[in-house]
Amino acid sequence: QQQVKQSPQSLIVQKGGISIINCAYENTAFDYFPWYQQFPGKGPALLIAIRPDVSEKKEGRFTISFNKSAKQFSLHIMDSQPGDSATYFCAAQGGSEKLVFGKGTKLTVNP
Amino acid sequence: ETGVTQTPRHLVMGMTNKKSLKCEQHLGHNAMYWYKQSAKKPLELMFVYNFKEQTENNSVPSRFSPECPNSSHLFLHLHTLQPEDSALYLCASSHRDRSSYNEQFFGPGTRLTVL
Repeated sequence: QQQVKQSPQSLIVQKGGISIINCAYENTAFDYFPWYQQFPGKGPALLIAIRPDVSEKKEGRFTISFNKSAKQFSLHIMDSQPGDSATYFCAAQGGSEKLVFGKGTKLTVNP
Repeated sequence: ETGVTQTPRHLVMGMTNKKSLKCEQHLGHNAMYWYKQSAKKPLELMFVYNFKEQTENNSVPSRFSPECPNSSHLFLHLHTLQPEDSALYLCASSHRDRSSYNEQFFGPGTRLTVL
């Protein structure tokens, strides 16, 4: 119930393409869904987050799509760039409880 | 220094050694966290400190001992570790408020290798 399942484990995209990473959860108490981005040698950094009262949130080239009934959410990276190459983690939190992270997706954007 | 800093960045230790990891946050936050990051596993929360008091111990073996002397500093004392404890240890901090969701700011981590 506390798990967040993330897929794919790795993703290779050409420059200018769309990167899509998916996450699913079981715990209906989760009501905050952030995405973190981690570059090699760095700690994760918050990229974008959404609450279930909206179905989509967009910040620049990054969009979260949220499907409450399916208990799924996804990250879309439009016009992917080589600088987007990193590991992406989805996470979920309910109230002030701890963040539960997915296993991560290693994204490689080829020039 | 800004953000969350961790020292050392790399540590190699034998199974009988005692060492400590240090974390310092310069963000004025009131909560600090230790996470373990292993390959192909989710980030595992180990400990949470809120206003210097430990509020969560996620069933972590006693060979890991946290210490939080003030809201800016967090230590992880290590003794008699096992090779499977080799991982990246991440420290994070946040402004923890029950009425809001708290963005966690992570340090760069300490890459620990246990021989």
